[in-house]
Formats: sequence, C-alpha cells, structure tokens
Amino acid sequence: NAGVTQTPKFRVLKTGQSMTLLCAQDMNHEYMYWYRQDPGMGLRLIHYSVGEGTTAKGEVPDGYNVSRLKKQNFLLGLESAAPSQTSVYFCASRNPSYTQYFGPGTRLTVL
Amino acid sequence: AQTVTQSQPEMSVQEAETVTLSCTYDTSENNYYLFWYKQPPSRQMILVIRQEAYKQQNATENRFSVNFQKAAKSFSLKISDSQLGDTAMYFCAFSPNFGNEKLTFGTGTRLTIIP
Repeated sequence: NAGVTQTPKFRVLKTGQSMTLLCAQDMNHEYMYWYRQDPGMGLRLIHYSVGEGTTAKGEVPDGYNVSRLKKQNFLLGLESAAPSQTSVYFCASRNPSYTQYFGPGTRLTVL
Repeated sequence: AQTVTQSQPEMSVQEAETVTLSCTYDTSENNYYLFWYKQPPSRQMILVIRQEAYKQQNATENRFSVNFQKAAKSFSLKISDSQLGDTAMYFCAFSPNFGNEKLTFGTGTRLTIIP
C-alpha cells in the first residue's frame, strides 16, 4: 500500500516548456486534489476531481490543466511554463471521512 | 469563504517541554472538520490530528491533543513531551463537510525543538 505517489520529485523547466505531473493513489479514493505551496502562503488548491472523468477549478487554476482518465490517477499539466509557476506541488486524495492524504511533493523550478 | 489564521510564524521549545500552537478560523458553517498537518524538512505533509466540529470532546493522538473551542472558532494543538522529531512546519486546515470539501490552510507555524 503506497498511498499517494507523485512523479517526478524534481524538475527544472525553461519558460515556455510544457510538462505533466503524475499523481497516483492506491486507496480507491474518489476525490483527488492538486495544491501548490509557496513560501509564507500555505497550500492553495489548483484543481480537483470528485471522480473518474471529472475535474473542476480551484482557487489558482490559471496556467494549469488536469485530467482524471482513471480513478487512481490525476494528472496536472503545464502547457507553457512561467517563472511564477515555480513552486512545490502536492497531490492529495480524500477518504470518505474527509481526511486528505498527501503525496511527497514535486519541486518545480521554471527558469 | 473560510479563512484560517495561524498567528505564530515561529516557535521554539526545549526538548521534553510542552508547546501549544494556535489556530483560529472563520466560517459560517456549523458542520466541518479541522486538521493539523506536520511538514518536516522532507516536505511530506503528515496528518497529525483531526477534529469533527460536531464532537465536543477534544481529539487526542498520543502526545498530541487539541483544544477545540467552537464558539470562539479556535483550534489549538498541544504537543506534550516534545521530541526532536517534532521539529517541523505545522499547518492548521479547515474543511466543510459538503461541496468539494477542499482544505483551506493557514500559513503555518515553524516549530523548532531545542536539544
């Protein structure tokens, strides 16, 4: 039982490049979330999904897209990376008792 | 919209002592959940403790306990017999029990346990 895993752990991009972050969970949770963490700001919600095939915007969705083709996977895409997207990204899944479990995070630097 | 406030950016305490981290929140909801997460230098977000608003009894998990004051919208975390491994950022978080149930986080308290 690995819980929530994220790939990759680190990445450096140049402005304008694209990439996809992969999140996988093996707990059969319906709800999944993508957050970003910036210094002094806690975690902010980018996008979330309430089940396979569904996605919705969070509080900071601009510049990101997501997909949930399989229940266990939640992908976060950056089509044209900008320096403002330099951050640590966390994926989480939620159990029926409203507790969220987090992945180990991805540190992304955009030059 | 809900807000979560942690007014102590940094705290330090001697090993084996007790420390209390403060958290206040603002909501118009009656049913919700409150959490404390720990983030050590490894960056992993680890659930410390969880409180359901409809339960009057304060949650406890080993050395960790909360003081939940619903009327005052206060949710403090007490760490007893602090250990070096408790050194971390601690985030208070709020979730309503409806809608997308997203977590709203405070800005965190950096706790350092001094040997």
